[in-house]
Amino acid sequence: GQQVMQIPQYQHVQEGEDFTTYCNSSTTLSNIQWYKQRPGGHPVFLIQLVKSGEVKKQKRLTFQFGEAKKNSSLHITATQTTDVGTYFCAGPRTSYDKVIFGPGTSLSVIP
Amino acid sequence: DGGITQSPKYLFRKEGQNVTLSCEQNLNHDAMYWYRQDPGQGLRLIYYSQIVNDFQKGDIAEGYSVSREKKESFPLTVTSAQKNPTAFYLCASSIWDSNTEAFFGQGTRLTVV
Repeated sequence: GQQVMQIPQYQHVQEGEDFTTYCNSSTTLSNIQWYKQRPGGHPVFLIQLVKSGEVKKQKRLTFQFGEAKKNSSLHITATQTTDVGTYFCAGPRTSYDKVIFGPGTSLSVIP
Repeated sequence: DGGITQSPKYLFRKEGQNVTLSCEQNLNHDAMYWYRQDPGQGLRLIYYSQIVNDFQKGDIAEGYSVSREKKESFPLTVTSAQKNPTAFYLCASSIWDSNTEAFFGQGTRLTVV
């Protein structure tokens, strides 16, 4: 079946450093979604990418969808303590398929 | 206020008892999902439903059951057959088309003693 992997599993950075998490799917995805879960909270939608090679930015966050629509990345520039949490990628194979979540990357930011 | 509500937030049960977790949404979403999250782990799909009176097993459906009698409601029953039921359970909903975001409830933390 479809599998979605993320690396790294954990990342500890000094405040101000950059951070990147990578998402890889075993199958082509219809779209890729990114979510953030703060400690003790629930996942909250950040963004969705649909087109091959698409790049979107949200302030210090840059999201990219690979050309083959099988991988994606999230890059955070100059991390802040408010960036702490687990970042999940998720995607369906087709528009009407179930969404499969990756295992997440847990980010810790040392002040 | 539109949203998705899970109750209760914390739940304690004795081993061997069935327990039902509530999930209600007033977003008029067709699709609803149940995920299980263990400490430091990702989200594993238990069951999902794309339409009333229909639901599909996810990756870890054994020991769980669901119903979808109303569009707004998707309760999850954790049965005594579930070997390790202690976990954080998240309910989500979305428009049926998976090209849209999923909205999550606050979650229910179930502890079986």
